[in-house]
Amino acid sequence: GIQVEQSPPDLILQEGANSTLRCNFSDSVNNLQWFHQNPWGQLINLFYIPSGTKQNGRLSATTVATERYSLLYISSSQTTDSGVYFCAVEPFAGNNRKLIWGLGTSLAVNP
Amino acid sequence: NAGVMQNPRHLVRRRGQEARLRCSPMKGHSHVYWYRQLPEEGLKFMVYLQKENIIDESGMPKERFSAEFPKEGPSILRIQQVVRGDSAAYFCASSQLGAGSNTEAFFGQGTRLTVV
Repeated sequence: GIQVEQSPPDLILQEGANSTLRCNFSDSVNNLQWFHQNPWGQLINLFYIPSGTKQNGRLSATTVATERYSLLYISSSQTTDSGVYFCAVEPFAGNNRKLIWGLGTSLAVNP
Repeated sequence: NAGVMQNPRHLVRRRGQEARLRCSPMKGHSHVYWYRQLPEEGLKFMVYLQKENIIDESGMPKERFSAEFPKEGPSILRIQQVVRGDSAAYFCASSQLGAGSNTEAFFGQGTRLTVV
């Protein structure tokens, strides 16, 4: 089945710093989503981005489907950005809508 | 517009008991998915349902686990005779498949099951 790899696995930033998180996937996809899981365990939708570039405030994402990767950019990081960032993909295979998840990037933003 | 609602948020069961987890999808969504998250891991797909139909249950253990999404009411994930290894966070998601086939999934807050 499709493999989803995220890097780096862990990241520590000082407040105000910028960062780039990467998601590589091994096969064609219908859908790609980025999520933030906060320290309380809640999953928050960041981007639905099967291709192209989107921006939402200090966050932006780019997916290059032909090269099978996606990038999540966090600018001017804040302590509230701490948590785990997951990339999840929906394989391009018939009518199956399930998401295959990476292991996440654990981000800690220090004041 | 309420999001995906899961209850209970926390559930404690003794080994051998049954656990019933409930999920109400977002308004207008007819597709429901259940995922399990073990500590410090990503989510793992369990089952995909539409109203009264199981579409894909390839991620669900063959024994003790079942899921339903009746015509009326929430989707239920049922775990019979729970064991300690069932302790995890169980997330429900829903999506709407309209003419544009937007398959964006929205997640509930999860049910944290602890088996003692």
